[in-house]
Amino acid sequence: AQSVTQPDIHITVSEGASLELRCNYSYGATPYLFWYVQSPGQGLQLLLKYFSGDTLVQGIKGFEAEFKRSQSSFNLRKPSVHWSDAAEYFCAVDGSGYSTLTFGKGTMLLVSP
Amino acid sequence: EAQVTQNPRYLITVTGKKLTVTCSQNMNHEYMSWYRQDPGLGLRQIYYSMNVEVTDKGDVPEGYKVSRKEKRNFPLILESPSPNQTSLYFCASSLQGDGYTFGSGTRLTVV
Repeated sequence: AQSVTQPDIHITVSEGASLELRCNYSYGATPYLFWYVQSPGQGLQLLLKYFSGDTLVQGIKGFEAEFKRSQSSFNLRKPSVHWSDAAEYFCAVDGSGYSTLTFGKGTMLLVSP
Repeated sequence: EAQVTQNPRYLITVTGKKLTVTCSQNMNHEYMSWYRQDPGLGLRQIYYSMNVEVTDKGDVPEGYKVSRKEKRNFPLILESPSPNQTSLYFCASSLQGDGYTFGSGTRLTVV
């Protein structure tokens, strides 16, 4: 069975500072990996995805994520956080390729002035 | 505009009264899915469909039904809703192996 762990429930970052959100997955092979963002009262928006190839993937809104097979991790990063980035972030894994995504419980990002 | 449309956005109903939440996508995606989102539990998959007339259970299918008679539509049916089905529901669609596009959500309250 596949699973996803996001160790941080809440993270507070100062505006302009760098950000890293952690994600660890459990699956026997290399799965499909995703990061989504959810603003309050909104649906989920896909930030980026990893299927294969280059382990550093670029997404929308200036986000990037790095796949590390040895650590079973797929951490999300942004060099400089903006107040509008405050939202909840979800990491997801799909081991089968049949869109049976399993989500982590999410990390709430708070941005301080 | 490419989108997943679900209706209604908000619904309050009473225990045992059958209801249907509709979901439609205009992207010709093969895959569709329903998730529920609850505080502290994240998103959990209820049912998914890989194509017309092909559906399968997700992680929390009890108390729900789905059908996929047309490629674009994937309604979620609660035959006899109970208070523990109070939740925020999301429909989503995708191409095989691609990331889901999500609808805006349906907030259901069962009293």
